[in-house]
Amino acid sequence: NAGVMQNPRHLVRRRGQEARLRCSPMKGHSHVYWYRQLPEEGLKFMVYLQKENIIDESGMPKERFSAEFPKEGPSILRIQQVVRGDSAAYFCASSLLREGPLDEQFFGPGTRLTVL
Amino acid sequence: DQQVKQNSPSLSVQEGRISILNCDYTNSMFDYFLWYKKYPAEGPTFLISISSIKDKNEDGRFTVFLNKSAKHLSLHIVPSQPGDSAVYFCIYNQGGKLIFGQGTELSVKP
Repeated sequence: NAGVMQNPRHLVRRRGQEARLRCSPMKGHSHVYWYRQLPEEGLKFMVYLQKENIIDESGMPKERFSAEFPKEGPSILRIQQVVRGDSAAYFCASSLLREGPLDEQFFGPGTRLTVL
Repeated sequence: DQQVKQNSPSLSVQEGRISILNCDYTNSMFDYFLWYKKYPAEGPTFLISISSIKDKNEDGRFTVFLNKSAKHLSLHIVPSQPGDSAVYFCIYNQGGKLIFGQGTELSVKP
């Protein structure tokens, strides 16, 4: 069973461009989470999605960031008009089903975004 | 405001000795904690958990202790091995939203 897949692993964008980060959850997992890790910091929650629904987006910046998890295909984290402060590692995690705190979240290897 | 705090950014230990990683939290309602381990260029992986109905959970070389009155957890690794060298995150699971500490980088010297 393949783990959580993220691509690309590295992404370089110039200021003002768009960044699209993709996440394929583990087979059978219908819950996806996105986290961001800035340099020298722990991971920070961004958004929690189920298929076609956003469950909790309390960690998402109010502007330029959006996320989706369509019925078919990977989850996408989209950052419009990137700025240098968006440079970070973005991690996706998935879980089987939500039973409260006992759900283990399985993480992908991350996408490292660099904004020039 | 940092709700889960790991005040030691790094720790160096000799192989075979005990590693103790500490974590403090601010919210007395927090009731379920996780430790994840992260190697460079990889995502974090689950290591061990503890709920507030217990004060200790053990899994092989790894033991987590919870002191609710002090709002403090610690992860003990004994004996430490070079392969344990990684960043360790103390985490609270808030209904699927993981709240991470800053991490402690453990280095186990042969």
